[in-house]
Amino acid sequence: DIQMTQSPSSLSASVGDRVTITCRASQSISSYLNWYQQKPGKAPKLLIYATSTVQGGVPSRFSGSGSGTDFTLTISSLQPEDFATYYCQQSYSTPYSFGQGTRLEIK
Amino acid sequence: EVQLVESGGGLVQPGGSLRLSCVVSGFTFNTYWMSWVRQAPGKGLEWVANIKQDGSEMYYVDSVKGRFTISRDNAKNSLYLQMNSLRAEDTAVYYCARGGVIRGRFDNWGQGTLVTVSS
Repeated sequence: DIQMTQSPSSLSASVGDRVTITCRASQSISSYLNWYQQKPGKAPKLLIYATSTVQGGVPSRFSGSGSGTDFTLTISSLQPEDFATYYCQQSYSTPYSFGQGTRLEIK
Repeated sequence: EVQLVESGGGLVQPGGSLRLSCVVSGFTFNTYWMSWVRQAPGKGLEWVANIKQDGSEMYYVDSVKGRFTISRDNAKNSLYLQMNSLRAEDTAVYYCARGGVIRGRFDNWGQGTLVTVSS
């Protein structure tokens, strides 16, 4: 099974900051990496799929990169609505697996 | 508008059974793989199972194999999760999600239904 590890587990940042979250897979997953945003009490929302394709309706300040085992999610200029928990997920093989999450908090 | 609405959660004793349902609208249900993803209280996301468009293929996470069964009724635009031999560690919010094809993504989610396994 493929293990996904995110870092950091939590992050404090200010509105306007540039933020990067890292996700590492235990083996190569090519580009089959998705990112989700989850706010308290809500369902996850797809942000980016296949490493770097931004889902429709998602602001352009969100971007993704990487390949193989190392991936990043970048938010170019944090907005108040971006404070949430972010999860990466590999779809390379079942069982699909998620990272443990990165909680992004207001500084 | 794509909508997925789960139901069927509740409190059940260890060893008991529960059947979750997810009714969808706003898209052609029989053209999509579908999945169940769960989230234990205060924890991260865990994929549980997925099912092919025609129900001919299903896959499960090891921890639920032999206990949970995913199914679908394309005529009713509905996805199901039959959960038997429930354990305390199955306590979670269960989300229905559109997607689950290999190399794909979960692009729409329901609001979730809470399953609590406790005596």
